[in-house]
Amino acid sequence: SAVISQKPSRDICQRGTSLTIQCQVDSQVTMMFWYRQQPGQSLTLIATANQGSEATYESGFVIDKFPISRPNLTFSTLTVSNLSPEDSSIYLCSVEGRGTSYEQYFGPGTRLTVT
Amino acid sequence: EDQVTQSPEALRLQEGESSSLNCSYTVSGLRGLFWYRQDPGKGPEFLFTLYSAGEEKEKERLKATLTKKESFLHITAPKPEDSATYLCAVRQDSGYALNFGKGTSLLVTP
Repeated sequence: SAVISQKPSRDICQRGTSLTIQCQVDSQVTMMFWYRQQPGQSLTLIATANQGSEATYESGFVIDKFPISRPNLTFSTLTVSNLSPEDSSIYLCSVEGRGTSYEQYFGPGTRLTVT
Repeated sequence: EDQVTQSPEALRLQEGESSSLNCSYTVSGLRGLFWYRQDPGKGPEFLFTLYSAGEEKEKERLKATLTKKESFLHITAPKPEDSATYLCAVRQDSGYALNFGKGTSLLVTP
């Protein structure tokens, strides 16, 4: 399994500002994924980030609100823009396991609180 | 619409009291069903992947089984350190998304 780190681990931000979350993997991976875990809710996929191409967003998520960068095979960032209290969540990045096993391995998450 | 439902939402067991967690799913074309453990303040930790009905996987006190409509996570003689939220997720044939249930919060008391 991959070792995944995220920065920051938590942050408190004011309404209207933005937060950029970094995700670093200890090995090269093709796909990286960004999920949101709202309080009391299940994890929901925001987008899939493929190195060298635009991220693919799931229904209900748009690039203007959640811009993603994927500059190389071990790193990705997710920005949450124009923050509102409804964006208070845990944001997690993940990568797929090697081979064709399909499981995903998750980072520790970033807990965002918007005031 | 694809759906994953976990029950119960919360479960309290005494140490040594075995039980099962349920994950019901509806998905068109199952590529895999996954079980994760999530501790407070941490990301989900991968436990098992099941691919087809009848398959079983075991790890220490945990055993996962799969039918065409549901999966069970059996916990045998649990210990307090098994306390966590257990998440079930499915992936269908198309796409990369894992569709998660809301989880079962397990508390094992000494």
